[in-house]
Amino acid sequence: DIQMTQSPSSLSASVGDRVTITCRASQSISRYLNWYQQKPGKAPKLLIYAASSLQGGVPSRFSGSGSGTDFTLTISSLQPEDFATYYCQQSYSTPLSFGQGTKLEIK
Amino acid sequence: QLQLQESGPGLVKPSETLSLTCTVSGGSISSNSYYWGWIRQPPGKGLEWIGSIYYSGSTYYNPSLKSRVTISVDTSKNKFSLKLSSVTAADTAVYYCARGLTLSSGYNWFDPWGQGTLVTVSS
Repeated sequence: DIQMTQSPSSLSASVGDRVTITCRASQSISRYLNWYQQKPGKAPKLLIYAASSLQGGVPSRFSGSGSGTDFTLTISSLQPEDFATYYCQQSYSTPLSFGQGTKLEIK
Repeated sequence: QLQLQESGPGLVKPSETLSLTCTVSGGSISSNSYYWGWIRQPPGKGLEWIGSIYYSGSTYYNPSLKSRVTISVDTSKNKFSLKLSSVTAADTAVYYCARGLTLSSGYNWFDPWGQGTLVTVSS
């Protein structure tokens, strides 16, 4: 099974900051990596698929990069609506697996 | 616009079977470009993939749950279902259904998701 590890687990930042969240896979997953945003009481929302492709309707301040085992999600300039929990997910092989989440909080 | 909606009992007794249905609207469940999945989230915790079913009927389950899980699809009703047997308190979670999309390259992801339904296991 492939384990996904995100860092940090939580992060405090201010509106306008540039933020980077890291996701590491326990083995190479090529670019089979997706990122989701989840707000309290809501379902996860797809942000990035295939490591770096922006889902339609997602603001361009979100970007993803990486391949193999190391991936990053970057928010170039935090907006108030971006404060949420972010999850990475590998879709390389079953069992599909998610990172433990990174909670992005307002400083 | 495709929408998914989970339905089923919000309370299940220990040792019984949890049964949920996901109704798909705004599109057909019968497409070989898609698969359909169940994901759960215990209160205050992260996401766990339960399993997925393809149009062909092929199913893939999380080994941690495989002995207790059955996912099926009813194309005539545009629905798919989850059954989880012998539940315990550890199965208390918000259960989400989601559509999986697979490109010819093999890249795949879940989008969209249903709103989720909380299932509590308690006597």
